[in-house]
Amino acid sequence: SQTIHQWPATLVQPVGSPLSLECTVEGTSNPNLYWYRQAAGRGLQLLFYSVGIGQISSEVPQNLSASRPQDRQFILSSKKLLLSDSGFYLCAWGGGQTLSGANVLTFGAGSRLTVL
Amino acid sequence: QKEVEQDPGPLSVPEGAIVSLNCTYSNSAFQYFMWYRQYSRKGPELLMYTYSSGNKEDGRFTAQVDKSSKYISLFIRDSQPSDSATYLCAIGGGADGLTFGKGTHLIIQP
Repeated sequence: SQTIHQWPATLVQPVGSPLSLECTVEGTSNPNLYWYRQAAGRGLQLLFYSVGIGQISSEVPQNLSASRPQDRQFILSSKKLLLSDSGFYLCAWGGGQTLSGANVLTFGAGSRLTVL
Repeated sequence: QKEVEQDPGPLSVPEGAIVSLNCTYSNSAFQYFMWYRQYSRKGPELLMYTYSSGNKEDGRFTAQVDKSSKYISLFIRDSQPSDSATYLCAIGGGADGLTFGKGTHLIIQP
C-alpha cells in the first residue's frame, strides 16, 4: 500500500531563517506531488505541484520554492522566512488511482510552522 | 478562475441528527467532486468522490452533485460525536490538483 511521510511535524523558526520541509511517498511510482498551505480562515491553498522529476509548477508567487530531486521526494524551501509564512503545510500525492480517472489526493500528516 | 464557496460554520447539531454540508462552485468545467474530513491538527482524509450529477452513498454518508446549479452537498445520517471535524469540499481532478473550500467546522453534541 502507498504511504506518505512528511517531516518535521512541528517547527518554530525566527524571521529571516531558512526552511526545508520534506515529503516522501512509498508504494507508488511517478506520482503527482503537491504542496498546500492551510492558514487560519483561508482554507487549503495550492503552492506547488509536480508531475515528474525536476518539473515544478508554482501556483502562487511567494517567498517559497519547491524541488523534486527524486521521483518520490518533494521538498519545500525558503531562504528567508517571513511572518506570513506561518501555517500548516501539507504534502499530497495523486495519480489516477481511481477507475474513473479522478486525481484523488492523499495527504500527509502535515508540518506546522510558526515564524516568530 | 477556480472558486469554491463553503460556509465555515461552526455548525453544531445534536447526536443522531442529519447533517447537511454544502458548497457552490463557479467553473462548470470541473469534472470531479470530493469531500475530505480533517480532524484537528491532522491532514485531510478522503471521504467520498463523485464525477457525475446525482447521489452517491457510502454508509452514513451521501454525496450529492447538481452540476446545473453548481452545487454539491454531503449528508451525514445518524451523526456521531466522532463525526466532529472540519469537512472540506474539493473540486478539480486534473494533474494540477484540487481547489478546496474553506471547510465547515462540524460539532456533534453528545
